Amino acid sequence: SAVISQKPSRDICQRGTSLTIQCQVDSQVTMMFWYRQQPGQSLTLIATANQGSEATYESGFVIDKFPISRPNLTFSTLTVSNMSPEDSSIYLCSVRLAGGPGEQYFGPGTRLTVT
Amino acid sequence: DAKTTQPPSMDCAEGRAANLPCNHSTISGNEYVYWYRQIHSQGPQYIIHGLKNNETNEMASLIITEDRKSSTLILPHATLRDTAVYYCIVRVASGATNKLIFGTGTLLAVQP
Repeated sequence: SAVISQKPSRDICQRGTSLTIQCQVDSQVTMMFWYRQQPGQSLTLIATANQGSEATYESGFVIDKFPISRPNLTFSTLTVSNMSPEDSSIYLCSVRLAGGPGEQYFGPGTRLTVT
Repeated sequence: DAKTTQPPSMDCAEGRAANLPCNHSTISGNEYVYWYRQIHSQGPQYIIHGLKNNETNEMASLIITEDRKSSTLILPHATLRDTAVYYCIVRVASGATNKLIFGTGTLLAVQP
């Protein structure tokens, strides 16, 4: 398994500002993902964070709004840029370990409120 | 990824078995069935997965029909702590396209 931590656990931000969320894993992983969960909704995949290259974004998500970094195999950041109240969500980091059946593990999430 | 269909909600009495159904009629031959759950205010938790044989672990059992078009997750003795949203997801086990895409899931409410 993998232990995933996220910082911050929650934040309240003003409209127009940006927030960077950090994800740290206790072991080297091949794949890291970022998800968003809007209030009362299921999880939506934002992007796959690729080590050493640009992230791969899902339809409806763009790099200018959600820039992602992944400098090594245990760490990634997601920035929510130029925030609006519609960005209020829980943002979750997820990882998949190399080998094995492909189980995916999730961090505790970052609860973001934009005012 | 193939789509899945789950009932939006189910109730179960504490101590009884909870049987959660999932339809995945368009599943491909190389796609696995995965189950996750999300307890309120937590990140999703992996439960179990299978390809075509029935599987059992310490958390649950997974029964997959012979034609693989549907499956059932069984929690043998549900407790109040099993109250959560349960997601059934189908995807390939590896490769660039094996993203975990969540549907709406089933809200299981375990009643005392």
